Amino acid sequence: DQQVKQNSPSLSVQEGRISILNCDYTNSMFDYFLWYKKYPAEGPTFLISISSIKDKNEDGRFTVFLNKSAKHLSLHIVPSQPGDSAVYFCAASALDMRFGAGTRLTVKP
Amino acid sequence: DTGVSQNPRHKITKRGQNVTFRCDPISEHNRLYWYRQTLGQGPEFLTYFQNEAQLEKSRLLSDRFSAERPKGSFSTLEIQRTEQGDSAMYLCASSLAGADYEQYFGPGTRLTVT
Repeated sequence: DQQVKQNSPSLSVQEGRISILNCDYTNSMFDYFLWYKKYPAEGPTFLISISSIKDKNEDGRFTVFLNKSAKHLSLHIVPSQPGDSAVYFCAASALDMRFGAGTRLTVKP
Repeated sequence: DTGVSQNPRHKITKRGQNVTFRCDPISEHNRLYWYRQTLGQGPEFLTYFQNEAQLEKSRLLSDRFSAERPKGSFSTLEIQRTEQGDSAMYLCASSLAGADYEQYFGPGTRLTVT
């Protein structure tokens, strides 16, 4: 069952512009949401998280927005850099962690 | 480096053979998780331990899968009588209890069943 969905398998953005990665979920019991970043041949790396009691969390160039009524999560990266090119996974946690299928971000110089 | 390590990084086996993977978590982390990731999908939770206790195993894919963490440090994941459908990346992660939303992943073991 796909409780966490990332409907865009890929995204290409020009360096310096904003990258927006989206995620939808179905389970209203999720109480914590996370974004992980994955480079080839490495495991996912924790990037940023947000509790369900908040609607925004910011860490440097990365901001996560949570819209609970829409069951929608997004990650904004601004400005985007070529080193941000990776696969980004959205994850949501209740009793265990559920991951989306990932979005491959390519930032072009 | 004190990150999560996994061995082996790659394993090729013939159908019907048993395989065992090892995970060494970050030393101060008391929670350890196993995930499976297939092509084009995100990690899929399998099981987790707090210290040596396996607190959740209902998501293990079949009774051919088992995991142990005998001394609360490293863990092993065993797959018996492997099938071609078991081919995947097996990821291990660790965290501190109470901060288990922030899991640190190892590089994974890629299993290929021929």
